[in-house]
Amino acid sequence: DIVLTQSPATLSLSPGERATLSCRASQNVGFYLAWYQQKRGQAPRLLIYDASNRASGIPARFRGSGSGTDFTLTISSLEPEDFAVFYCQQRDSWPPVFGQGTRLEMK
Amino acid sequence: EVQLVESGGTVVRPGGSLRLSCVTSGFIFDEYGINWVRQAPGKGLEWVSHINWNGDSIGYAGSVRGRFTVSRDNDKKSIYLQMDSLRAEDTALYFCARDSSNYVENYYFDYWGQGTLVTVSS
Repeated sequence: DIVLTQSPATLSLSPGERATLSCRASQNVGFYLAWYQQKRGQAPRLLIYDASNRASGIPARFRGSGSGTDFTLTISSLEPEDFAVFYCQQRDSWPPVFGQGTRLEMK
Repeated sequence: EVQLVESGGTVVRPGGSLRLSCVTSGFIFDEYGINWVRQAPGKGLEWVSHINWNGDSIGYAGSVRGRFTVSRDNDKKSIYLQMDSLRAEDTALYFCARDSSNYVENYYFDYWGQGTLVTVSS
C-alpha cells in the first residue's frame, strides 16, 4: 500500500498567518490526492481533490498544489474557524489511503 | 440537502458480530458509490470498504477482508456493513461517506455521516 507522510505533525499559528501543510507519498500518485479538514467532534470535510481543485463551497484561501509524490495545502490567511486536523488521501492506487494528519492549532 | 446517517454501533465482545446501517437522503442514491471509513479513538482515518452504485463492485481493506461484508438496498437508500469476528482493534467511530462522482468509483468522499461508535471489549 502507498504510505502518505504528513508534516509537520502539529503547526501552531495565529489568525491571519499563512499555513503550509505537506503530504509526501511513498510512490507516484499523479494528481490523485485530496485534502480533508476535521474539526473536533465532526466528520471530515472534503477541501481539495485532484491535488488542486477546491470542493464545492470551499473558500479561496484554501489552495492545493503538487503532483507525483509531493503535495502542499496552503491556507493563505488563517481564520479562527480553520483550526482543525487536516488529512491528505490518495486514490491513485488501491486501497485508498489517508495520511496520519496535521493538527493546526491556534498559537 | 444530502444526508447520511449511521446507526448500529454498540459495545460487543471480541469474536462477536454487529451490523451497521447508513441511511441516506437528498441525492439519487442508486447513482453513487458509498464507502465506510473508520477512526479509532484519538487516531487518524482508515478506509474500510466501498460498494459501487449498483453493488457489483465491492472492495475491502486488508484489515477487514474476510470478516466484514458490505451491501446496499437501493429501495431503502441504505448501505449496510456486516461485521463478524470482531477484534479489539476494530474499535472505532465508523463513518459512511459518499463517492464524489456518480457512476464512477473515484474514492474521493464528499459527504459524510456523523459516525456510529463500535466498541469491542470483554
